[in-house]
Amino acid sequence: GQQVMQIPQYQHVQEGEDFTTYCNSSTTLSNIQWYKQRPGGHPVFLIQLVKSGEVKKQKRLTFQFGEAKKNSSLHITATQTTDVGTYFCAGHYYGGSQGNLIFGKGTKLSVKP
Amino acid sequence: ETGVTQTPRHLVMGMTNKKSLKCEQHLGHNAMYWYKQSAKKPLELMFVYSLEERVENNSVPSRFSPECPNSSHLFLHLHTLQPEDSALYLCASSQPGTDTQYFGPGTRLTVL
Repeated sequence: GQQVMQIPQYQHVQEGEDFTTYCNSSTTLSNIQWYKQRPGGHPVFLIQLVKSGEVKKQKRLTFQFGEAKKNSSLHITATQTTDVGTYFCAGHYYGGSQGNLIFGKGTKLSVKP
Repeated sequence: ETGVTQTPRHLVMGMTNKKSLKCEQHLGHNAMYWYKQSAKKPLELMFVYSLEERVENNSVPSRFSPECPNSSHLFLHLHTLQPEDSALYLCASSQPGTDTQYFGPGTRLTVL
C-alpha cells in the first residue's frame, strides 16, 4: 500500500538550534500537509503544500515540497521550548477520496532549555 | 479549540463490553473521519464519511462499527474488543472540497 516515510523518528535539540524533519513518498502526491501534536494533545493542522517546488514560511517554520511532489520537509529555525511535540506529514494521492490522507510516523521533537 | 468534540475522553472496558464513542463537529464540515493512533505507529485512517455516506473502510475489523446519523455527528460502536485495540481514537472533520483535517481531542481507550 501507499506509504509516507518520515525521518528522523526522534530529534533532541538544544534551544536555539535548528530542526528539520523529512517526508518521502514512493509515488507522486497531489498535496502534502503538516500537522503538529503537542504532548497529550491532538494533531493540529499547520499548512498544506500543493505546487511542485512550493516553499511556504510561517515565522520560524519553513515548509518545502519537492519538484517531483514526492518529498517534503519542515525546517524550524532557532527552536524554542514551545516547539516541543510530534510533527506529522500527511500525503494525499491523486485519485484518493476527499480527506484520505496517509500519515507519516511523525518526528518527535524535544527541546532542552 | 472546540470545533470538534469527543466523548468520553477516557474509556476503560473489558473485552466483552459494548461501548460507543461520540464525535460532534460544529464547523459546518461535510466529511468526518475516525483514526486510530497507537504508540510507534502512524495515524491509521479507519473510516471516512462524506455527506453521511461511508466512502472508505480501510480493512477495519467488524468489532468496530461506525455510524453517521447526520453531518455533525459520528459514532464508533465498540464490541468484543481486544487488548491490542487500546489506543487513542481521534475524530476529525473537513470542509467540502478540501483534505485538511480538524481533529478532536480524542478518546483514550484501554481494553482490559
